[in-house]
Amino acid sequence: QKEVEQNSGPLSVPEGAIASRNCTYSDRGSQSFFWYRQYSGKSPELIMFIYSNGDKEDGRFTAQLNKASQYVSLLIRDSQPSDSATYLCAVNPGTYKYIFGTGTRLKVLA
Amino acid sequence: DVKVTQSSRYLVKRTGEKVFLECVQDMDHENMFWYRQDPGLGLRLIYFSYDVKMKEKGDIPEGYSVSREKKERFSLILESASTNQTSMYLCASGLPGPRGPGELFFGEGSRLTVL
Repeated sequence: QKEVEQNSGPLSVPEGAIASRNCTYSDRGSQSFFWYRQYSGKSPELIMFIYSNGDKEDGRFTAQLNKASQYVSLLIRDSQPSDSATYLCAVNPGTYKYIFGTGTRLKVLA
Repeated sequence: DVKVTQSSRYLVKRTGEKVFLECVQDMDHENMFWYRQDPGLGLRLIYFSYDVKMKEKGDIPEGYSVSREKKERFSLILESASTNQTSMYLCASGLPGPRGPGELFFGEGSRLTVL
């Protein structure tokens, strides 16, 4: 059983809309949660991290963590075509290493 | 800015060849990682290192080995390349965070094709 699940189906939203991506994880002891963005042909880059239950906002991005339900979400407000990318969820289960989801694609239509 | 440099962007090798992938980071990070990324499978951890000369197996270490003789350099070795090792290889480095690994910084990737 995969430890970090993401809906891999692409999501298309119009420019200016809110885009949401979700991630569930299996290890209840997980401590740290990260969202990376990966443009086609490029390497992943960090956009958000969250450690505590609740919401964390950074500009147009909001990460939401619910440890009881074991999910972490990423919301993108006022989506821009430049947000079109694959979004990778990563979870640290309390060791040195991350566990990544398979990624979920977003396309923002101009 | 943090820079993680991978020695080769594109490589084509033949089955059975020995392959070296090198990664150098310039920010004095303790932790370094090698991942492979395949469509539909995401990033899978091959090996990681949390200190010089220290290494730990990740989720898919079979067919690979690593070397970390200096803090800034982490090398991935394929002793005898096979076609199922055709993939994108990503090196990353990072510092510990307050509750485990902190942010990872990735290199540009090395796309290996084994014929």
